[in-house]
Amino acid sequence: EPEVTQTPSHQVTQMGQEVILRCVPISNHLYFYWYRQILGQKVEFLVSFYNNEISEKSEIFDDQFSVERPDGSNFTLKIRSTKLEDSAMYFCASTGELAGVGDTQYFGPGTRLTVL
Amino acid sequence: DAKTTQPPSMDCAEGRAANLPCNHSTISGNEYVYWYRQIHSQGPQYIIHGLKNNETNEMASLIITEDRKSSTLILPHATLRDTAVYYCIVRRRDDKIIFGKGTRLHILP
Repeated sequence: EPEVTQTPSHQVTQMGQEVILRCVPISNHLYFYWYRQILGQKVEFLVSFYNNEISEKSEIFDDQFSVERPDGSNFTLKIRSTKLEDSAMYFCASTGELAGVGDTQYFGPGTRLTVL
Repeated sequence: DAKTTQPPSMDCAEGRAANLPCNHSTISGNEYVYWYRQIHSQGPQYIIHGLKNNETNEMASLIITEDRKSSTLILPHATLRDTAVYYCIVRRRDDKIIFGKGTRLHILP
């Protein structure tokens, strides 16, 4: 069964450093998402991406964050200068085999980001 | 904010049916009811979704009331591996997911 994959599973970084979290969405999916979950809290939407541009972003997704689809398979989330409060699980999701039709979002296993 | 209301926790005996309720009284005509679950800190796992008809798949059944203001997720024969947080979500099919706090389901041996 197709699945969303994410690497690395755990990333430890120093405050102020840049990190890139990687995701490989399900093949042929067209809509991509990033969510995060701070320990003990709800899963929160960060950003949605379609047709090589951001379609929606939350207040959390400030100028320190960026997303990119550098090739036909990867979808990345970059945090330019990490802060302690960026420590969280980051989940990638994808959906939409058909252009213009969203549907069930399938989530990856997540990357645990720890900022020291 | 999440558009749904769920009990914070529930217990169910192993082998019995787990019935998880959800209220969504402000649901719009073009919004679907989706259920996901999250086992420990793993990625949310899709379970089932529906618009107005009852749905069944290999994991669960979804019962939606006729007025669509509430629904029930049924796990027919709960196992210990079904212990998780279950999220009831109301959304358009092309929209982001807004997660609430969900229901923490404990399966008791």
